[in-house]
Amino acid sequence: GQSLEQPSEVTAVEGAIVQINCTYQTSGFYGLSWYQQHDGGAPTFLSYNALDGLEETGRFSSFLSRSDSYGYLLLQELQMKDSASYFCAAPSEDNFNKFYFGSGTKLNVKP
Amino acid sequence: GAVVSQHPSRVICKSGTSVKIECRSLDFQATTMFWYRQFPKKSLMLMATSNEGSKATYEQGVEKDKFLINHASLTLSTLTVTSAHPEDSSFYICSARSRDLNAETQYFGPGTRLLVL
Repeated sequence: GQSLEQPSEVTAVEGAIVQINCTYQTSGFYGLSWYQQHDGGAPTFLSYNALDGLEETGRFSSFLSRSDSYGYLLLQELQMKDSASYFCAAPSEDNFNKFYFGSGTKLNVKP
Repeated sequence: GAVVSQHPSRVICKSGTSVKIECRSLDFQATTMFWYRQFPKKSLMLMATSNEGSKATYEQGVEKDKFLINHASLTLSTLTVTSAHPEDSSFYICSARSRDLNAETQYFGPGTRLLVL
């Protein structure tokens, strides 16, 4: 099977830096994506890592280590609007077109 | 950017009725669309993969006769919840992958909240 594990909840203050981890188990691997979802809304794409290393997109960065089956999303200069759920996602091991989502991390940003 | 719409956004129905949810890619052609189900404060659970012009592929444990999927064109997929029951109440989200845009990205619709009384 395929599983992606994340911490259930993280709390941080405005202006801080927070890291959301994702560990995965799959026999085949085609990369790791990150999505943001505000309460009641649809997920929106944040980033994708196909190879090891850090991908930076503004205040958000994503890291992947395939040897450790591990990735993380790094959010810098936190803002109140960053309060949301964050999901890592990976393509199915038997079908690159199918994505499975991690358990999700609820980020609470406090003033 | 790529836009995916869903209709309706919210539906309340009586137990035993059927509900159809539409998913449209508005400005791109989607070779593949996906249907997810999400319970409150939970992750997205992939229900099925919808391929244009062919039968949908259902995930293990998802009843294909219960959740009928039709991908009639490159811009439209529909999910019909047949003989809905209260346990079918959930947030249903579709997503689409573009034939031409970033292949690693799924574009999500805004979701449909179904409440079965």
